[in-house]
Amino acid sequence: EADIYQTPRYLVIGTGKKITLECSQTMGHDKMYWYQQDPGMELHLIHYSYGVNSTEKGDLSSESTVSRIRTEHFPLTLESARPSHTSQYLCASSPSSYNSPLHFGNGTRLTVT
Amino acid sequence: GENVEQHPSTLSVQEGDSAVIKCTYSDSASNYFPWYKQELGKRPQLIIDIRSNVGEKKDQRIAVTLNKTAKHFSLHITETQPEDSAVYFCAATRNSGYSTLTFGKGTMLLVSP
Repeated sequence: EADIYQTPRYLVIGTGKKITLECSQTMGHDKMYWYQQDPGMELHLIHYSYGVNSTEKGDLSSESTVSRIRTEHFPLTLESARPSHTSQYLCASSPSSYNSPLHFGNGTRLTVT
Repeated sequence: GENVEQHPSTLSVQEGDSAVIKCTYSDSASNYFPWYKQELGKRPQLIIDIRSNVGEKKDQRIAVTLNKTAKHFSLHITETQPEDSAVYFCAATRNSGYSTLTFGKGTMLLVSP
């Protein structure tokens, strides 16, 4: 079934560790996005990509980085995790056509101790 | 850029009552307005969307209205049920392949039996 997959679902790590959150989609979508969702519910766009080798920073400044080497894969990396990075991270994708809805993954809940 | 305001932030209703969530947007060029529902611990999912060439759209118990002149749109849920309890997000974007969705801050809807 076509979907968007995120791993891991939950992650608890210590300060200073390097981590990569995985996101893959089998929807055939060109556009992909990373959102950070705080406990207050609000969705903050931190990175997006229009296609292979395209990456852009979102509205919320983030210390994370992303890459888009394959259409279906959009990993997010934190070089040195800090407690302030504790949050829910949601990956999403959409077709390249105008006015297309986003399809979200199940998210990764990250806790940095 | 676009700015989307969403009200109220929380809404409590009795089962069977109607619920209305309102959003305003700032960019007059925006022409696509989706609504997402996020149940506790789950991913946001599209429940209905409207494009600027229509003023109202219905899907069973949910409806969305759009007033382009006033730059506001609303979600209406009739005959609410406990399973409607969730966080609802409105969003807006313009007709451009390079634009991204701007989300409201979310409304937590609680339907009491």
